[in-house]
Amino acid sequence: ETGVTQTPRHLVMGMTNKKSLKCEQHLGHNAMYWYKQSAKKPLELMFVYSLEERVENNSVPSRFSPECPNSSHLFLHLHTLQPEDSALYLCASSQDYGKGLAHNYEQYFGPGTRLTVT
Amino acid sequence: GQQVMQIPQYQHVQEGEDFTTYCNSSTTLSNIQWYKQRPGGHPVFLIQLVKSGEVKKQKRLTFQFGEAKKNSSLHITATQTTDVGTYFCAGGAAGNKLTFGGGTRVLVKP
Repeated sequence: ETGVTQTPRHLVMGMTNKKSLKCEQHLGHNAMYWYKQSAKKPLELMFVYSLEERVENNSVPSRFSPECPNSSHLFLHLHTLQPEDSALYLCASSQDYGKGLAHNYEQYFGPGTRLTVT
Repeated sequence: GQQVMQIPQYQHVQEGEDFTTYCNSSTTLSNIQWYKQRPGGHPVFLIQLVKSGEVKKQKRLTFQFGEAKKNSSLHITATQTTDVGTYFCAGGAAGNKLTFGGGTRVLVKP
């Protein structure tokens, strides 16, 4: 499946580094998501963007900074992370998102970025 | 806030046997979705249920949405090694964000 791509696939960074994760969707969707997956919380929603506007921010520490320059691209900027931030970071997209919808659209996930913070 | 619980957390199944995994929401849902994540992979959408009491089948998989739209189940018959993975349910309420359950990790013994 190549509908949602993520780079890099693996990342090792020190606590003082600054890095960015990139996600691109080729499905013409209007909504994009960042999830954190770890052993403690299997699928934890971090951010939701709808038509490039952030619509959900689930109490995520400020060391994670999302950016959505257009509806096809989503970034997660990382700085001064902690070892407990090591996890699989998954990007997803869906056709639409919003409180005006009767139901949710299915989400298409990318392969994820395996992040290790040393 | 909305919580979605899945049981069991782990399911060890003998190949050829049946099993069921359950999903329970703290609030009434407008829809529920199921995803499967293979080891080393990413979640892949399986199905969505919208109507109260709805039942849908995909080959050996049977999905059910409870009458009160607060619970759901996934039943797999004649388990195969290809069924290995983690199955997530995700509850949604009127277009709001999906809340994922903790998943049921399925291990198949040949």
